[in-house]
Formats: sequence, C-alpha cells, structure tokens
Amino acid sequence: DTAVSQTPKYLVTQMGNDKSIKCEQNLGHDTMYWYKQDSKKFLKIMFSYNNKELIINETVPNRFSPKSPDKAHLNLHINSLELGDSAVYFCASSPTVGEQYFGPGTRLTVT
Amino acid sequence: GESVGLHLPTLSVQEGDNSIINCAYSNSASDYFIWYKQESGKGPQFIIDIRSNMDKRQGQRVTVLLNKTVKHLSLQIAATQPGDSAVYFCAENSGGGADGLTFGKGTHLIIQP
Repeated sequence: DTAVSQTPKYLVTQMGNDKSIKCEQNLGHDTMYWYKQDSKKFLKIMFSYNNKELIINETVPNRFSPKSPDKAHLNLHINSLELGDSAVYFCASSPTVGEQYFGPGTRLTVT
Repeated sequence: GESVGLHLPTLSVQEGDNSIINCAYSNSASDYFIWYKQESGKGPQFIIDIRSNMDKRQGQRVTVLLNKTVKHLSLQIAATQPGDSAVYFCAENSGGGADGLTFGKGTHLIIQP
C-alpha cells in the first residue's frame, strides 16, 4: 500500500496553462503539506492543511491554490503557469506532531 | 531569516567507513529535528528524529547528535553501504506539529567502492 501518493508523476505543459496535481494519503494523518523542490534540491514548504483548514500559507504566488475535499486529499491547483514554476512538487502528511511522510513527487516542466 | 543549513554539499566516503553529515540551525526555538534521505527520483524518506530534550538518539546504523549549545545537529552512518548514496537533509520544526518543516540545503553522500 502506498502511504502518500501523487498524480501525475510527470507533467509537461506550456506557459499560461492551468494544471492540478493530486495527492492522497491513507495514513489517517491530520495534516497534509505541499513542498516545492527546486533544481538545486532545496525543499521549501508551500502550504499545510489541518482538518481541511489552511494552517500556513507561505509567500507563494496566489496562482497556487491548495484544495482539500477531505482529510485524505490535498490537491494543488496552479493557474497561468510560468517557466519559474518548473520544479518537483512533493506532497506530505503527518500526525499532529511527528515525522512527515512524503509522496514520490511530481516533476512539473513548463515550456 | 532563520534557517537550517548544511556545511558540505558533497561528501565522498569509502564503502564500509563511517559517515558524518553535519547541520547547523539558527532558530533557538526549534524543538524537533529530523534527518531525511532522498534517493534520485524519489521523495524524502524519514531516517531518524530527535527532540530538543535529548542530545543523542540511535537507530539502525544511524545516530543523531544534537548540540543545543552551538545549535548543531549531526547524522552518523556506520559502515556505509552503496545503498546509502543519496542526498541527506536535516529539517527542523519549531512551530508545532501543524507547521511545515524547514529544510537545510542537503548533502550529497557518495559511497566509493
């Protein structure tokens, strides 16, 4: 069983398009996150959701919007994609306090 | 702003030797630290964690040391194996469980045969 899954694994799209990345966790965790990893492998938190409530919202462009239909899902929607959005996006989940479990990542390439 | 950082971007060791990866943090309020391993094309994988009320924790072939006085964290890997080749990140959580982790830049560990 995959604990944290993401789809798609690869996403290639053109500038200006709107795209979504889906994330699901079957661990029963209360909190889910989205991270962005740039070409230098630097990981940075973007959002976190706790019981469908946004807890933190880092200084990311408002073109990025997390959507959580239920506790097990946190999707990431991106409007008007730009070249600089190219990165690997990781979803993660955690219990209220504790380690975070990461998904396999979605490599987004904007051309 | 406060951050977590790693001293060396790349560390090359001989197979069978011990590896030590270092990390400095600047947020004195940090109370929980984690080491992650990221293999190529995969997501970060939990290795070991430590809370600020401890200074040492051991796992299978790994030991994490925490020195709060100098805000320093290290990961020791005993008898390194080819499968240990990966990028290692330290991360801190200073704001409670609902906050995201602040990651360091990562150290690429290369195991030489």
